[in-house]
Amino acid sequence: QQPVQSPQAVILREGEDAVINCSSSKALYSVHWYRQKHGEAPVFLMILLKGGEQKGHEKISASFNEKKQQSSLYLTASQLSYSGTYFCGTEIRGNTPLVFGKGTRLSVIA
Amino acid sequence: NAGVMQNPRHLVRRRGQEARLRCSPMKGHSHVYWYRQLPEEGLKFMVYLQKENIIDESGMPKERFSAEFPKEGPSILRIQQVVRGDSAAYFCASSPGQANTGELFFGEGSRLTVL
Repeated sequence: QQPVQSPQAVILREGEDAVINCSSSKALYSVHWYRQKHGEAPVFLMILLKGGEQKGHEKISASFNEKKQQSSLYLTASQLSYSGTYFCGTEIRGNTPLVFGKGTRLSVIA
Repeated sequence: NAGVMQNPRHLVRRRGQEARLRCSPMKGHSHVYWYRQLPEEGLKFMVYLQKENIIDESGMPKERFSAEFPKEGPSILRIQQVVRGDSAAYFCASSPGQANTGELFFGEGSRLTVL
């Protein structure tokens, strides 16, 4: 039931783009994205609740393809501050605790 | 408004001792979740509590682990007779309602080391 994230790790130069994928073997009710910097608490990025929904905040956006049971997180023109581990959390139905993937470690270098 | 507070931040125990981890949710939040994180691993769900009730403990090991969220005071995750495999970071998160209606607010975590 744990979602699968890919890639496991990625290194970018400042200004480059990245895509992080999250896929599930089961139909999804919602997908949540969090970012965790080393030694810190995970921080919420966004929730996607509907199939085909796309959300965005500045240069970080995400899509949710209900049919493919997957979500993608898009980071555009990456900044050094984007470095960290990105986790997707999924629900197969409402009102249930999130199940998180193993994470994607993103390193942005100057 | 203070965030989710966890203590202790670091805890060292010898095998066989007990570990107690505390979590005070954000003000106004009545839902608490505990997750365990091993190095290079994701956050593994352990237990979901509301005040005085355990809602979902499907991720809790059957033995030695227990959790509570009393009417007054913080939520407590208790690990009895710790073993080396219990070494991990334990994160608490809170929300005002069901998780799917909004974000989870995480604490800084409690890092348990078992010698």
